[in-house]
Amino acid sequence: GENVEQHPSTLSVQEGDSAVIKCTYSDSASNYFPWYKQELGKRPQLIIDIRSNVGEKKDQRIAVTLNKTAKHFSLHITETQPEDSAVYFCAASTGGGADGLTFGKGTHLIIQP
Amino acid sequence: NAGVTQTPKFHILKIGQSMTLQCTQDMNHNYMYWYRQDPGMGLKLIYYSVGAGITDKGEVPNGYNVSRSTTEDFPLRLELAAPSQTSVYFCASSYSVPAGRSPLHFGNGTRLTVT
Repeated sequence: GENVEQHPSTLSVQEGDSAVIKCTYSDSASNYFPWYKQELGKRPQLIIDIRSNVGEKKDQRIAVTLNKTAKHFSLHITETQPEDSAVYFCAASTGGGADGLTFGKGTHLIIQP
Repeated sequence: NAGVTQTPKFHILKIGQSMTLQCTQDMNHNYMYWYRQDPGMGLKLIYYSVGAGITDKGEVPNGYNVSRSTTEDFPLRLELAAPSQTSVYFCASSYSVPAGRSPLHFGNGTRLTVT
């Protein structure tokens, strides 16, 4: 089955700096890559996703890049703000069934004032 | 729309007891899921359902059971609770396409402690 590795497990950056979280996946058939943000004690919520026919996608301060050849994808957050502090999860899916999402173990992003 | 609603929010269960975690959604989503979240381990799929009357095992189904008698409701049953089932449980739903291609909508979670 699919295996998703996520790094780093904890990331501390100064407010205003950029943050990058990286994920690798094992199944070359995977074609959908969402990112979820989970604030402390809250539910995970989708922040951005990308499909395998696209190399990059941006939404304001958030961007995701995908390298299908290397089987890795990354989340980029620019001009970080205190409200960006949360746990971020990447996931991958072949889209072949209802059980298709495999999650990484999460990255705890800490924004230092 | 309330979205995905889970009850209870917190519960303490004694070893060997049983209980049902409730989940209901009002978005008319066909697909529903139960995940457990342990610290530093991400989200693991327990069971899922593609529609009323149809359920299937995920990655970690042992010790759990589910049913899907209606589109709206997807309860998770714990039989003979064990300390290893201490976790945060999330119910989720998605559009009428497989979860791999549409966003998951999560409930607020149930924090369960087995002692």
